Amino acid sequence: NFMLTQPHSVSESPGKTVTISCTRSSGSIASNYVQWYQQRPGSAPTTVIYDDNRRPSGVPDRFSGSIDSSSNSASLTISGLKTEDEADYYCQSYDSINLVVFGGGTKLTVL
Amino acid sequence: QVQLVESGGGVVQPGRSLRLSCVASGFTFSRYVMHWVRQAPGKGLEWVAVIWNDGSNKVYAESVKGRFTISRDNSKNTLSLQMSSLRVDDTAVYYCVRGGSGWSWGQGTLVTVSS
Repeated sequence: NFMLTQPHSVSESPGKTVTISCTRSSGSIASNYVQWYQQRPGSAPTTVIYDDNRRPSGVPDRFSGSIDSSSNSASLTISGLKTEDEADYYCQSYDSINLVVFGGGTKLTVL
Repeated sequence: QVQLVESGGGVVQPGRSLRLSCVASGFTFSRYVMHWVRQAPGKGLEWVAVIWNDGSNKVYAESVKGRFTISRDNSKNTLSLQMSSLRVDDTAVYYCVRGGSGWSWGQGTLVTVSS
């Protein structure tokens, strides 16, 4: 099994752009799709990015995902930050035995 | 739209059993892999188990293997999680999740294991 490591917290001002990283500990980040989930306080998670860089309908295009093989990491970028983006964000992928792996989560503060 | 409604949570003593259910609507249930994911208070997300769309295959996290059983009834659009030998560290909100591309999450049901 591998681990997905995220920064514990990030902060940025409204209107700015923030990037949250998700680094895979072993094996290639490109081997399995990466998903990103947003969880606002007191609410269930929702999907903001799936299959590395696809957005579900209803998710604004301010949210984008990418992978970087050189750093073996995935990234979630949120541009034009709004106070409503303040939430916990989790990355997720799969290992070769169909098991699901989550990152530890990143708390985004929009101040 | 996709709706997943969990039920069955509550307070239970260590060593006892509990059964969670999830009723799905708004999509063709029998076409999708389904997961259970949990979140302990103040902690991150932890995947628990997955079941194939036709129930032919089930995979569990090591932390619950041998104690939890995932099942589904496609005729009733229902996903279940039978939890036995519950431990204090099983205390969490349990989410029912539709798999495939772009997971959809239920609102969760809280399970508290305490004496």
